[in-house]
This record gives sequence, C-alpha cells and structure tokens, in this order.
Amino acid sequence: AQSVTQLGSHVSVSEGALVLLRCNYSSSVPPYLFWYVQYPNQGLQLLLKYTSAATLVKGINGFEAEFKKSETSFHLTKPSAHMSDAAEYFCAVTGGGANNLFFGTGTRLTVIP
Amino acid sequence: KAGVTQTPRYLIKTRGQQVTLSCSPISGHRSVSWYQQTPGQGLQFLFEYFSETQRNKGNFPGRFSGRQFSNSRSEMNVSTLELGDSALYLCASSAGTNKGNEQFFGPGTRLTVL
Repeated sequence: AQSVTQLGSHVSVSEGALVLLRCNYSSSVPPYLFWYVQYPNQGLQLLLKYTSAATLVKGINGFEAEFKKSETSFHLTKPSAHMSDAAEYFCAVTGGGANNLFFGTGTRLTVIP
Repeated sequence: KAGVTQTPRYLIKTRGQQVTLSCSPISGHRSVSWYQQTPGQGLQFLFEYFSETQRNKGNFPGRFSGRQFSNSRSEMNVSTLELGDSALYLCASSAGTNKGNEQFFGPGTRLTVL
C-alpha cells in the first residue's frame, strides 16, 4: 500500500526565507512521488516529480525536492520565499494504478512580508 | 493547447437529488481521473478511465459512477446525494497510463448539497 504523510498543516515563513515542506512516504514498491500546488479556487498544478532518475529533482518556480530512500522522505524546498508562493502544497505517491495518486493532507504555506 | 475544463464550476443540489459533472481533457489525452477534495478527508481518488474503460476505482460507494466517451470526455454521476458529498470534484487528464505521467488538473466543480 502507498501513503504519504505531510508534517505540519500550516507553515509560515518570512519573505526571502527558506521554504521547507516535509513529506514522508510509505510504499511497498519503488515509488513515484509528486509535489502539487493549489491556489485558492483553482485546481492542482504539478511542481515536480520523482520517477527514479536523479534523486534531486528541480521543479518550477525555483522549487526542488530530494528523494531520500533511507529516510523515506521527499521534502520540498525553495531557497527564498516569495509572496506568490503562498498556497497549499500537496505531496502525492502513485498507487496501484499509474494514475491513481494518494495525496497527503496538504500544507498551507503563508509568506509574511 | 487548452487545459482541462470542467463544467459546471459551481453546483447547488439538495439531498436525494442526483448530479452529473463533466470533464474535457487536454486534446490528445486519453486518461481521465476523478478526485474528491473535502476539508475532512482531503484529496481522494474516485476512479480513472482510459479509452472508455474504467481502469481503477477508489473506495467510494456505488452512488458514484462515471463514464468516458470516445472523444475522451468524461462524466461522473452521483446519485441520491448526501450532505457529505459536498466537495470540490477535480478531474485530471494524462497522456497515458505509465507511472510518472504528469496529471493535469482542471479547476474543479464545487458541489454543495443542502
């Protein structure tokens, strides 16, 4: 079975500070992992994905994530937060079918000016 | 290329009624998945269709059903609506069925059941 756990339902950072959103996964098979962002009243937008190639994955808008098998983690980082990064972020792992995603509970990021 | 479109964007129904939601995938995409998003349960997978066939189904009661047409457009239907069905229903399309394929999400249909 596949699942993901996102630590921290709310994270606040100052503008220009490091963003770190945590995600731990559980998977009985090599996982495919994703980070999505959701802005208010919108759907989900893919930030980045891990598909067993490079363990450090770079995504859009300056975000990146590192796959650490020993820690079963896939934390999302951005060196310098921008006001426009305020949104909800979801970590997801593929389930039994290729397009069956299991999502974490989400982390709402607030950026303080 | 146009993105995933969902209609209607907002819907208000009363308990016991049924509802049909529509999703048009990105041109050329043959896989359509549906998800339910609620504050309490988060994002949950409903089902996936590929080439008019249901490939996967989540853990939802039989009141939730779907179908896909030959042009890849998909509909989902919820019968005998309950208050707990109030949610944002998201549709996602993908070019194929390989793991790691990006899913492109639509803006969702917000269903309110009174």
